[in-house]
Amino acid sequence: GQSLEQPSEVTAVEGAIVQINCTYQTSGFYGLSWYQQHDGGAPTFLSYNALDGLEETGRFSSFLSRSDSYGYLLLQELQMKDSASYFCAVQNQGGKLIFGQGTELSVKP
Amino acid sequence: DAMVIQNPRYQVTQFGKPVTLSCSQTLNHNVMYWYQQKSSQAPKLLFHYYDKDFNNEADTPDNFQSRRPNTSFCFLDIRSPGLGDAAMYLCATSRDLGEQYFGPGTRLTVT
Repeated sequence: GQSLEQPSEVTAVEGAIVQINCTYQTSGFYGLSWYQQHDGGAPTFLSYNALDGLEETGRFSSFLSRSDSYGYLLLQELQMKDSASYFCAVQNQGGKLIFGQGTELSVKP
Repeated sequence: DAMVIQNPRYQVTQFGKPVTLSCSQTLNHNVMYWYQQKSSQAPKLLFHYYDKDFNNEADTPDNFQSRRPNTSFCFLDIRSPGLGDAAMYLCATSRDLGEQYFGPGTRLTVT
């Protein structure tokens, strides 16, 4: 079967750094994506890792270790607007995304 | 701006009354997806079109059907909505197997 695990919720303060981990078990792995979803909104793409290593996009970075079936999303200089749900998603053969259950991030002042 | 558009944003239907949700895109992407997302859960893929080829997920109920009359439009038909079908329905598009762009979603209420 296929499964992804990520923490259900994380709390951090403005200006801090937070890391959201994701472990997965899947067949036909092509890459790991991260999506942000604000309450009532649509998921928006943040990053994609197909190869091992770190991808940096502004305040957000994502890491993948294929041998460990593990990845994380790193958010730096947290802002209140970063409060949202963050989903990791495995892309398997055929381009399908299998989403994790999401991590609700609360940023406090 | 190129985008994915879903209409309506909110839809109320009666138990058992057929309903159609629509999605259009100006991105000229060849792949279109329909997801169902229930409260506090992950989006769940229902089916997708790769060009004109329809790909149904094994666990998608027969109650859900889809049509893609052209590249830009895709429809989700729920033949006999039940109370358990109340959810947010998300349309997404991609170029081949690349990054998926999501529309704002249609929130379906079944009374």
